Amino acid sequence: QVQLQESGPRLVKPSETLSLTCDVSGYSISSGYYWGWIRQPPGKGLEWIGSINHSGNTYYNPSLRSRVTISVDTSRNQFFLRLTSVTAADTAVYYCARHGPIDTYYASLDYWGQGTLVTVSS
Amino acid sequence: DIVMTQSPDSLAVSLGERATINCKSSQSVLYSSNNKNYLAWYQQKPGQPPKLLIYLTSTRESGVPDRFSGSGSGTDFTLTISSLQAEDVAVYYCHQYYSSPPTFGGGTKVEIK
Repeated sequence: QVQLQESGPRLVKPSETLSLTCDVSGYSISSGYYWGWIRQPPGKGLEWIGSINHSGNTYYNPSLRSRVTISVDTSRNQFFLRLTSVTAADTAVYYCARHGPIDTYYASLDYWGQGTLVTVSS
Repeated sequence: DIVMTQSPDSLAVSLGERATINCKSSQSVLYSSNNKNYLAWYQQKPGQPPKLLIYLTSTRESGVPDRFSGSGSGTDFTLTISSLQAEDVAVYYCHQYYSSPPTFGGGTKVEIK
């Protein structure tokens, strides 16, 4: 069973960098699929941030591209999100997820982490 | 970006009755080379992540009850819950993955009447 778990600081100060890790278990990232980050502001809808595969090929949401970096460490079966220059508008539950069940970037999201609420506040 | 518009924003349905949620995309999500619509539906309960219900418009994810069904093509799609159960109370989202960036509808809240 594929499982994903987000971790990282829950509170980030304005103008600083938000950094999150997604630990994947039950499946080796090296074996395939794209792996993504999605966020959801409190009480609002879903916004895709970006995705990566085991080779490090990335796709980013143009609305966030200038501030986002997604990377992968296949040896640790983890992938990462880095969002710079955060503001209160970046306060959200951040989810990591797998593009599936078909192994392509152009796929739905079949496995999700539980999400972690990150608050941007001084 | 493809804009996904869901309707209604919320609906209240009696137990055992049908619930219908609509989703309209600002451009077609039909991939002509394989004649498949790249449209998914998710269910999200409070405090939980979204759960994939249906992908490629009408294919149910493993374990999803058959009272959930999806239909549509091009720009107009529907999620139907044929006989609403108490555990179906949730917010439902449509999602297009035909073009990047993938985008989601605003959500439809389903409640019991």
